[in-house]
Amino acid sequence: DADVTQTPRNRITKTGKRIMLECSQTKGHDRMYWYRQDPGLGLRLIYYSFDVKDINKGEISDGYSVSRQAQAKFSLSLESAIPNQTALYFCATSDLRDRVSRDTQYFGPGTRLTVL
Amino acid sequence: DQQVKQNSPSLSVQEGRISILNCDYTNSMFDYFLWYKKYPAEGPTFLISISSIKDKNEDGRFTVFLNKSAKHLSLHIVPSQPGDSAVYFCAAGNYGGSQGNLIFGKGTKLSVKP
Repeated sequence: DADVTQTPRNRITKTGKRIMLECSQTKGHDRMYWYRQDPGLGLRLIYYSFDVKDINKGEISDGYSVSRQAQAKFSLSLESAIPNQTALYFCATSDLRDRVSRDTQYFGPGTRLTVL
Repeated sequence: DQQVKQNSPSLSVQEGRISILNCDYTNSMFDYFLWYKKYPAEGPTFLISISSIKDKNEDGRFTVFLNKSAKHLSLHIVPSQPGDSAVYFCAAGNYGGSQGNLIFGKGTKLSVKP
């Protein structure tokens, strides 16, 4: 079983709809992240969370919100989707307690979101 | 401004030869660097990393070199195999930073031809 899972894997929605992307991990990591990938732009950080009570904005948080429901779950919401939010979305985790590789992030398989 | 730059969007190499992927950074506070590999329809997977206290780290066919004075790192793949064809992302972080986040480059698409 995959350590980091994302649901759904693909989603098509319409402008103005609210949509939630979910991420779950079984790695026991404390930190979780949401990124989006656009062609030619690499990976850009949307939000990150260092523990359940800690949520922080990343580089491109406008138009998004997140919820850390438990250590293992981190969801990303688009309150009112717009076409330029069409992208690949990735969840990632890392473990601050691992002194050797604490900045190494482990990614889920991604969600392809299309906003029409 | 981009803090982590991969100036070559693509690279084509013959099977069995060496692949060299390059990455430059601007922030001297970065002290930890990673390479990720990404296949289509999959998430990025961690490949290899290097701390700023080292100038080389090797793992099988993959070697990462760090030149701190030039703020440059490179990934060498020897010998290259068709299965290495993927997009490679360079990333940098700061152990002591308050964010503990990684900054990613835009990626280089490697094609290894049989």
